[in-house]
Amino acid sequence: GAVVSQHPSRVICKSGTSVKIECRSLDFQATTMFWYRQFPKQSLMLMATSNEGSKATYEQGVEKDKFLINHASLTLSTLTVTSAHPEDSSFYICSAEGQGRNTEAFFGQGTRLTVV
Amino acid sequence: ELKVEQNPLFLSMQEGKNYTIYCNYSTTSDRLYWYRQDPGKSLESLFVLLSNGAVKQEGRLMASLDTKARLSTLHITAAVHDLSATYFCAVDWNQAGTALIFGKGTTLSVSS
Repeated sequence: GAVVSQHPSRVICKSGTSVKIECRSLDFQATTMFWYRQFPKQSLMLMATSNEGSKATYEQGVEKDKFLINHASLTLSTLTVTSAHPEDSSFYICSAEGQGRNTEAFFGQGTRLTVV
Repeated sequence: ELKVEQNPLFLSMQEGKNYTIYCNYSTTSDRLYWYRQDPGKSLESLFVLLSNGAVKQEGRLMASLDTKARLSTLHITAAVHDLSATYFCAVDWNQAGTALIFGKGTTLSVSS
């Protein structure tokens, strides 16, 4: 399958700071990328859909000013958690979908964010 | 609102036994996925089911899809310890792109 790389895999930051997470499709062009959040022992929740060159679409209850998403190229989407707080501590996972409707979305390795 | 329900949420099995995990979803969808997640790791894709009646098998796992009943099953045959993990089913939200709505997951523990 296609490769999606997420960086960093782990990050610890102080409350009030911002953290950027990168999601790259390494061997295909991803017109659409998705960001999910997973709290401990819970399922994955879709946060937002990002399309290259346009604004992200956020799911209900997700603060777009807090979780900034940029999808500036066909191989890179970034999620910036601004003014992080301990309750933002979670496992963030991206997925990327290639061009064409009949493609599967491929998941990155995930980023464990801990806000102290 | 699309809902995806999995059961059971926890499953403790003995090695060598068979069991089935069920995944029900609430609205029409054209794709259903099964994933495995090990602790602290991301998702590993197991199966993509694209049509009614689809059946796929890989090793001791077999997945099926009944779109009319809005039901998918993941059957485990002769469980082994290495299958211990959390299994998620997910349904394509059917918007632009493969936005997935996940079930709550089934945590499987296989003991000898």
